[in-house]
Amino acid sequence: KAGVTQTPRYLIKTRGQQVTLSCSPISGHRSVSWYQQTPGQGLQFLFEYFSETQRNKGNFPGRFSGRQFSNSRSEMNVSTLELGDSALYLCASSLAGTPLSSTFGSGTRLTVV
Amino acid sequence: DAKTTQPTSMDCAEGRAANLPCNHSTISGNEYVYWYRQIHSQGPQYIIHGLKNNETNEMASLIITEDRKSSTLILPHATLRDTAVYYCIVRVDIQGAQKLVFGQGTRLTINP
Repeated sequence: KAGVTQTPRYLIKTRGQQVTLSCSPISGHRSVSWYQQTPGQGLQFLFEYFSETQRNKGNFPGRFSGRQFSNSRSEMNVSTLELGDSALYLCASSLAGTPLSSTFGSGTRLTVV
Repeated sequence: DAKTTQPTSMDCAEGRAANLPCNHSTISGNEYVYWYRQIHSQGPQYIIHGLKNNETNEMASLIITEDRKSSTLILPHATLRDTAVYYCIVRVDIQGAQKLVFGQGTRLTINP
């Protein structure tokens, strides 16, 4: 079966712009989580969506937001981009919303210049 | 969530067993030990998990001490493709507990 698909794979944006990243979970998975990975901070949890509702949220500013559609696909948006937002953004989907069943995508590498 | 402590880096010869330790002295009775790995430029990959008993699957074995305060991930015959960062995570396994807290992990290098 198809894995977790993230698009685009690479992205370059200018400071001050906004960006939208997309995640298509494994078919049947209803939970989608987003993580940010940087060399300095490592992997950090952004938020989780389950049945179109945000269920958990990490410690990130309001510039980071997300949503989930009825087909479980999810998008995350970052507004007013800063240089420090350059990172690998990872999406993980889960069948039951438990850590055990999490499958990660390959990520979107965002570079802010 | 209980905190975990792992060595920053380890080396292992190809074909030998790689033993990766993890300390989790504050683990609670209902918390599982999970292991993930991340190969360069890819998303983390689930390896194995356990609660009390030792576990084995096609990828690895997990040995958990009787007091559950530490565990060891064993890759029985390491290959070059096992070079990755390995994360030990302690977490309850309930619905709604999707958030995973990753530490810095152990960077395992398999040498030819």
